[in-house]
Amino acid sequence: AQSVSQHNHHVILSEAASLELGCNYSYGGTVNLFWYVQYPGQHLQLLLKYFSGDPLVKGIKGFEAEFIKSKFSFNLRKPSVQWSDTAEYFCAVSPNTGTASKLTFGTGTRLQVTL
Amino acid sequence: GAGVSQSPRYKVAKRGQDVALRCDPISGHVSLFWYQQALGQGPEFLTYFQNEAQLDKSGLPSDRFFAERPEGSVSTLKIQRTQQEDSAVYLCASSLEWGQGDPGYTFGSGTRLTVV
Repeated sequence: AQSVSQHNHHVILSEAASLELGCNYSYGGTVNLFWYVQYPGQHLQLLLKYFSGDPLVKGIKGFEAEFIKSKFSFNLRKPSVQWSDTAEYFCAVSPNTGTASKLTFGTGTRLQVTL
Repeated sequence: GAGVSQSPRYKVAKRGQDVALRCDPISGHVSLFWYQQALGQGPEFLTYFQNEAQLDKSGLPSDRFFAERPEGSVSTLKIQRTQQEDSAVYLCASSLEWGQGDPGYTFGSGTRLTVV
């Protein structure tokens, strides 16, 4: 069974600071990797995903993530955060089966960006 | 519709009451998933449908939980004899058949169930 670990539970940053949120997964096979964001009162939205190919993935709103297979990691980065990035961020993994399959989520990281 | 629609948005149930939560996926999405999100946690998988077939129900926490998707579109998650530990947000997600478009999952806004 797969599992996902997000080490940072609550991160507070000032606007314009750089962001890196850690995500490590455990699974014995090939995986698809995702980062979702949940703004207060809103539904989960996809930030970016990795299926194959270039391990550096660029997503929406200036976010990117790098898949490092040897470290089983998929850390999320943003060079300069904005107040509007305040939200909960979830890393998720699914087996790469070539079809839709269940996601396993981490417990989430709450990001608070101060002005 | 444009997104995954879930109803009701909020449900308060008395302990022991049965509840039914509805998910209306994006038209044409063959895969449908239900997740349970407890407060302060990430979503946890409950069950998965491909069209009307329930292919995986390994995440359903007890036999009080039952899901169906009889015509391969709308799905209902039913919880019988609700307990306080059932209080959570129930999320629905749908997906196209992979290979027919950009793979990925679209989530609904969820139903927040509070059992009192």
